Amino acid sequence: NAGVTQTPKFQVLKTGQSMTLQCAQDMNHEYMSWYRQDPGMGLRLIHYSVGAGITDQGEVPNGYNVSRSTTEDFPLRLLSAAPSQTSVYFCASRGTGANVLTFGAGSRLTVL
Amino acid sequence: TQLLEQSPQFLSIQEGENLTVYCNSSSVFSSLQWYRQEPGEGPVLLVTVVTGGEVKKLKRLTFQFGDARKDSSLHITAAQTGDTGLYLCADTNAGGTSYGKLTFGQGTILTVHP
Repeated sequence: NAGVTQTPKFQVLKTGQSMTLQCAQDMNHEYMSWYRQDPGMGLRLIHYSVGAGITDQGEVPNGYNVSRSTTEDFPLRLLSAAPSQTSVYFCASRGTGANVLTFGAGSRLTVL
Repeated sequence: TQLLEQSPQFLSIQEGENLTVYCNSSSVFSSLQWYRQEPGEGPVLLVTVVTGGEVKKLKRLTFQFGDARKDSSLHITAAQTGDTGLYLCADTNAGGTSYGKLTFGQGTILTVHP
């Protein structure tokens, strides 16, 4: 099925470890974004991209890096994980037409 | 910084009851979207409202946008167990174009009991 695919679905890290959350979309969408969801706080924007090679920071970018080498992929990197980064992470994409975000199913990250 | 407040935070009702969820903003919405999220899944768009005073209906769901475009409500008639989930409102920040940058409320967790 077409859509946004996130991997892994679950991950446990130790403080200081690094990892990459993968996000891929097959809808040829220009815009992609990463959100984190914490209890009682809704979703908060981490980073976003308006096209290959172009990224920018959102509301809570500290501790995360992104890159967009292709239209399809938008990985999120944690260089040195901290317990405060324990959260559920959602990748989303939209095209340049209708303002409709398509979300992935999420990646649950626990940092011990 | 825009703040979106949703109320109530939790709602537990019996099947067949009616309910209303509210979303209030500290500033005027660009346009407002309502999402529904089920456990283990990402949010799914229900509706977009743009014009002050606008009312949209989606089967048993009625969405209202305040005249001043600073508040919105979602009303569900005769709730069903399948309505259980997290309901989120979001501003599309679409002044120019939003690039997929939404500002979300904290959500309302709805549980409908059989």
